[in-house]
Amino acid sequence: GAVVSQHPSRVICKSGTSVKIECRSLDFQATTMFWYRQFPKKSLMLMATSNEGSKATYEQGVEKDKFLINHASLTLSTLTVTSAHPEDSSFYICSARVKKREGWNTQYFGPGTRLTVL
Amino acid sequence: AQSVTQPDIHITVSEGASLELRCNYSYGATPYLFWYVQSPGQGLQLLLKYFSGDTLVQGIKGFEAEFKRSQSSFNLRKPSVHWSDAAEYFCAVGPFSGGYNKLIFGAGTRLAVHP
Repeated sequence: GAVVSQHPSRVICKSGTSVKIECRSLDFQATTMFWYRQFPKKSLMLMATSNEGSKATYEQGVEKDKFLINHASLTLSTLTVTSAHPEDSSFYICSARVKKREGWNTQYFGPGTRLTVL
Repeated sequence: AQSVTQPDIHITVSEGASLELRCNYSYGATPYLFWYVQSPGQGLQLLLKYFSGDTLVQGIKGFEAEFKRSQSSFNLRKPSVHWSDAAEYFCAVGPFSGGYNKLIFGAGTRLAVHP
């Protein structure tokens, strides 16, 4: 149980285009999903917290107009990188918080999406 | 400020040897503590977590961790390492009392296993 998927697993795009990454909780309902960014050989940096049916909460320094987050249902959140540039190339990981199971703070992580902007 | 420190960036052990990965945290209240493992190109897998109660917690894949409040530590241990344990290990701390705000991650420890 508690499986989180991401699609695509890898994407290469041209500079200036937009890329959408999907995060799905497959066997549970997630009222909250989190988006992280991981730089090479670095830890995970939380970008934003996504709550179903409401606006995402962005961490300080994260451009909300550049990283658009939509949490349309209890099983799906999307991250759109708008007008991507090479510096946006990174490994993006989502996680989902299990609703009403095992307490509050357990987050289950997706396998990540490798974004390369040429 | 809340923070997590993993003093060892890289550790190499021989297969079959014991392992201890260190984690120290700075947090104003009783924390929720986690260890995650990340294999190359993969997302994070939860190894174990501590919320309350017994300070020695057992996880998956033969891992265990001990919460020591006096030392603000939550070190991860395994008595006998397997080659498949080679990966990046992250310690994380979360807020208390049901808050679901961000997990704070350490910088990670990369484990290499010699045959």
